[in-house]
Amino acid sequence: DIQMTQSPSTLSASVEDRVTITCRASQSIGTWLAWYQQKPGKAPKLLIYKASTLESGVPSRFSGSGSGTDFTLTISSLQPDDFATYYCQQYNSPYTFGQGTNLEIK
Amino acid sequence: QVQLVQSGAEVKKPGASVKVSCKASGYSFTRYDINWVRQAPGQGLEWVGWLSLQNGYTNFAQKVQGRVTLTTDTTTSTAYMELRSLRSDDTAVYYCAREGGGYGWSHWGQGTLVIVSS
Repeated sequence: DIQMTQSPSTLSASVEDRVTITCRASQSIGTWLAWYQQKPGKAPKLLIYKASTLESGVPSRFSGSGSGTDFTLTISSLQPDDFATYYCQQYNSPYTFGQGTNLEIK
Repeated sequence: QVQLVQSGAEVKKPGASVKVSCKASGYSFTRYDINWVRQAPGQGLEWVGWLSLQNGYTNFAQKVQGRVTLTTDTTTSTAYMELRSLRSDDTAVYYCAREGGGYGWSHWGQGTLVIVSS
């Protein structure tokens, strides 16, 4: 199975900071990668699919890039609502998630 | 609007079975595949299995292979996940999610807590 390695595990940042989370696949997955945001007690929310396509309704401060094995999620200017846990997911069956990045307030 | 509404929390003993339901509304049920994902307390997301609504094909994570069955009732637009021979490490919140082809999983159920404890 394809393994997804996310980094960092924890990220401390301030409002208006620019942050980047990386995700590396153990083998090429093309652009079959999605990013999700999850808040405590809630289901994950889709942010990005096909590595770089913004889901409808998601603020434009979120962006994704990459292909093959290396991917990034960037938040250009952190807002208070963005402090959450972020997961990458490869959907080049079978599906696997990264271990998550907890984005916390500095 | 699209909604996936799951059944309520369950408490089971080791070795028992649990069946979680996921009732869909707001879209054509048979057009989209369903996935199941679980999240143990304080842990990350773990994919459990996939069911194709078009042809009934399934695929499962190795960890649950042989213990899980995914089914649907198209008359009620409901998907089911049954997990047998429960162990303590099956304790988790279980989510259903609608697969959108290559467009990610945009709709999720609210989650069902399954606790396995003697």
